[in-house]
Amino acid sequence: AQSVAQPEDQVNVAEGNPLTVKCTYSVSGNPYLFWYVQYPNRGLQFLLKYITGDNLVKGSYGFEAEFNKSQTSFHLKKPSALVSDSALYFCAVRDGGATNKLIFGTGTLLAVQP
Amino acid sequence: NAGVMQNPRHLVRRRGQEARLRCSPMKGHSHVYWYRQLPEEGLKFMVYLQKENIIDESGMPKERFSAEFPKEGPSILRIQQVVRGDSAAYFCASSRDSNTGELFFGEGSRLTVL
Repeated sequence: AQSVAQPEDQVNVAEGNPLTVKCTYSVSGNPYLFWYVQYPNRGLQFLLKYITGDNLVKGSYGFEAEFNKSQTSFHLKKPSALVSDSALYFCAVRDGGATNKLIFGTGTLLAVQP
Repeated sequence: NAGVMQNPRHLVRRRGQEARLRCSPMKGHSHVYWYRQLPEEGLKFMVYLQKENIIDESGMPKERFSAEFPKEGPSILRIQQVVRGDSAAYFCASSRDSNTGELFFGEGSRLTVL
């Protein structure tokens, strides 16, 4: 079964510093990987996805993610964090088979201190 | 271009009552997914529907929960005889087809069972 793991419940970073939110995956076949962000009491917003092609994927709000097949990782990164980036971040993988459903990680709370 | 619309945003029910949550997908989308987010947990897949068909209900509890997506009108997630453990945020997502991978989420319906 497809799955993703987010090993950190929370990541703290100072404003202006680079940030990384970690995600590792376990899939059979080619992985379709996603990052979503959730602000308090809101729905999930799509940030970026990896289907195929370049290992470095650029997304919304200055975020990017690096697909690493040998390490089965898909870490989310941003060169310079903003206080407004503070939110809950979810990594997800597309389930196989006939459905397009996404399997989500447990989420990582990003806290950016001013 | 309206996004995924969910209502009600907040719903309070007493134990034993019924809860009905509605979801209108984005225009042009015919695939609907329901997820549940429990406090301090990630998103758990519940059910995937296309118009008039349940495609994957592997995440639905065996009893009290049902979902439909009629030919006309919104998708409905129905919870009968609610219990306190049903208190959660229920999110609906939609996609245009089963291949693009990206799901668009609504703002969620937050159910509180007293």
